Amino acid sequence: DIQMTQSPSSLSASVGDRVTITCRASQSISTFLNWYQQKLGKAPKLLLYAASSLQSGVPSRFSGSGSGTDFTLTISSLQPEDFATYYCQQSYTIPITFGQGTRLEIK
Amino acid sequence: EVQLLESGGGLVQPGGSLRLSCGASGFTFSNYAMSWVRQAPGKGLEWVSAISGSADTTYYADSVKGLFTISRDNSRDTLYLQMNSLRAEDTAVYYCAKASDWGSASYFDYWGQGNLVTVSS
Repeated sequence: DIQMTQSPSSLSASVGDRVTITCRASQSISTFLNWYQQKLGKAPKLLLYAASSLQSGVPSRFSGSGSGTDFTLTISSLQPEDFATYYCQQSYTIPITFGQGTRLEIK
Repeated sequence: EVQLLESGGGLVQPGGSLRLSCGASGFTFSNYAMSWVRQAPGKGLEWVSAISGSADTTYYADSVKGLFTISRDNSRDTLYLQMNSLRAEDTAVYYCAKASDWGSASYFDYWGQGNLVTVSS
């Protein structure tokens, strides 16, 4: 199975900050990497797919990059509604695997 | 508008069985693979199972293989998860998720609201 490791596990930041979350795969997954946002008590929401493609309706302050084993999710200017938990997911092969999550908290 | 509406969760004793359902609308159901993803209380997301659009291929996480069965009825636009021999560690919110295409290894562009399954005596 492909292991997905996110860092950091938690992060405190302020409104307006630029934030970067990283995700590392245990083997190359090309660009089969996706990012989700989950707010407390809600279902995950797709933010980016194929490493850098923005899902329809997602604000442009979210961006993604990377290929192979190393990927990043960047939020250019944090908004109050962005405080949530973020997960990466590989769709390169079955079993599909997720990172452990990064909890983004208000400083 | 794509909608996924889950039902069938609840409290079940260890060793018991439960069947989850996920009714889909707003897209051509048979054209897309579907998955179940679960989340134990306070924990991260765990992929459980996937099924192709035509239902001819199924996949399972090792943690549920031989215990859970995924199926779908394309005439009813409904996805199912039959869960047998349930254990305490199966306690979680279960989400059905629509794959982005026909492939079972894909990203999930729509999710259900989640359905809590509690395994406890």
